[in-house]
Amino acid sequence: DIQMTQSPSTLSASVEDRITIACRASESISNWLAWYQQKPGKAPKLLIYKAVTLESGVPSRFSGSGSGTEFTLTISSLQPDDSATYYCQQYNGFSAMFGQGTKVEVK
Amino acid sequence: EVQLVESGGGLVQPGGSLRLSCATSGFTLSDHYMDWVRQAPGKGLEWIGRSTNKAQSYTTEYAASVKGRFTISRDDSKKSVYLQMNSLKAEDTAVYYCVSWRSGYPDWGQGTLVTVSS
Repeated sequence: DIQMTQSPSTLSASVEDRITIACRASESISNWLAWYQQKPGKAPKLLIYKAVTLESGVPSRFSGSGSGTEFTLTISSLQPDDSATYYCQQYNGFSAMFGQGTKVEVK
Repeated sequence: EVQLVESGGGLVQPGGSLRLSCATSGFTLSDHYMDWVRQAPGKGLEWIGRSTNKAQSYTTEYAASVKGRFTISRDDSKKSVYLQMNSLKAEDTAVYYCVSWRSGYPDWGQGTLVTVSS
């Protein structure tokens, strides 16, 4: 199985800060990577798919980059509503493993 | 519009069985990969299994944590996907989600809660 390593596990930043979350695959997954935002008690919300494609309706301050084994999610100007846990997910082939998650706190 | 509706969750005793269903609409089920994902209370998202599409011969794959206990099946004529869960353990307590994949894009259901407890 392809394993996903996400970092950091927690992140605290101020409003309007630029933050990045990293996700590394144990082998190449081309661009088959999604990013989700999840708030307590809610289902995950898709932010990015195919590594770089912004889901419709998601604010443009969110962006994804990378291919192969190294990926990042960037929030260009952090907002209070971005306080949540973020997950990456690879979906190459016959499995679709998630990263461990990154809890983002907005100070 | 793609819609996925899970059902069948509830309270089950350790060692018991439960079958979850995912009713689909808005797409041709045989064309899509279908996954089950779960989230235990206070924990992260866990992919637990996949059924590929007709073109890939409906191959199934499972996470190590459920392999040999859980089985994914589908009935394309009923537009439904199923997760048969046997030998349930307390650590299987979670919200279970059905996920459909089309051209690299995921659609999620709203989830159904499974509680394994005596």
